[in-house]
Amino acid sequence: DIQMTQSPSTLSASVGDRVTISCRASQSISNWLAWYQQKPGKAPRVLIYKASSLESGVPSRFSGSGSGTEFTLTISSLQPDDFATYYCQQYDSYSWTFGQGTKVEI
Amino acid sequence: QVQLRQRGAGLLKPSETLSLTCGVSGGSFSGYYWNWIRQTPGKGLEWIGEIDHGGSAKYNPSLKSRVTMSVDTSKKQFSLSLSFVTAADTAVYYCARSVVGRMEYWGQGTLVTVSS
Repeated sequence: DIQMTQSPSTLSASVGDRVTISCRASQSISNWLAWYQQKPGKAPRVLIYKASSLESGVPSRFSGSGSGTEFTLTISSLQPDDFATYYCQQYDSYSWTFGQGTKVEI
Repeated sequence: QVQLRQRGAGLLKPSETLSLTCGVSGGSFSGYYWNWIRQTPGKGLEWIGEIDHGGSAKYNPSLKSRVTMSVDTSKKQFSLSLSFVTAADTAVYYCARSVVGRMEYWGQGTLVTVSS
């Protein structure tokens, strides 16, 4: 199984901050990496797919980068609605696995 | 607008079989993969398996011996069966549509509790 490791687990930030979340895969996954946002009691919402493609309807302050084993989600200017937990997820031909999550809090 | 609506029992006893169904509205049923994912505070998000409109399924190896997924294209719905449940299967279960390496649309989630 491919393991996904996110860092940090928790991130304290303020409105307007630039925020970066990292995700590392245990082996190369090319660019088969997606990022999700989840709020309490809700299903995850996809933000980024194929490492850097912005999902339709997602604000442009969200961006993704990376390939192989190292990936990054960046929020250029944190907004009040962005306080949530973020997950990375990889896809290979055998299975899907998620990172353990990064909680972005005030 | 694509919507996924889940239904199924939320309280089970150990050794029983979990059964959930996800109905799809507002979009095509073919050309996509239909997934089940579960979430626990301890293990986070765990992919259970996927199935296509033709019934070809793929399961997480860690659950494969207990999981069966099926599809009913006439009703635009797909189902999950997980046998011999234990307390470790207590989780919020989600259905989701996947395409191009991401879960595009998700159901509302169903809390399934396994308790004697």
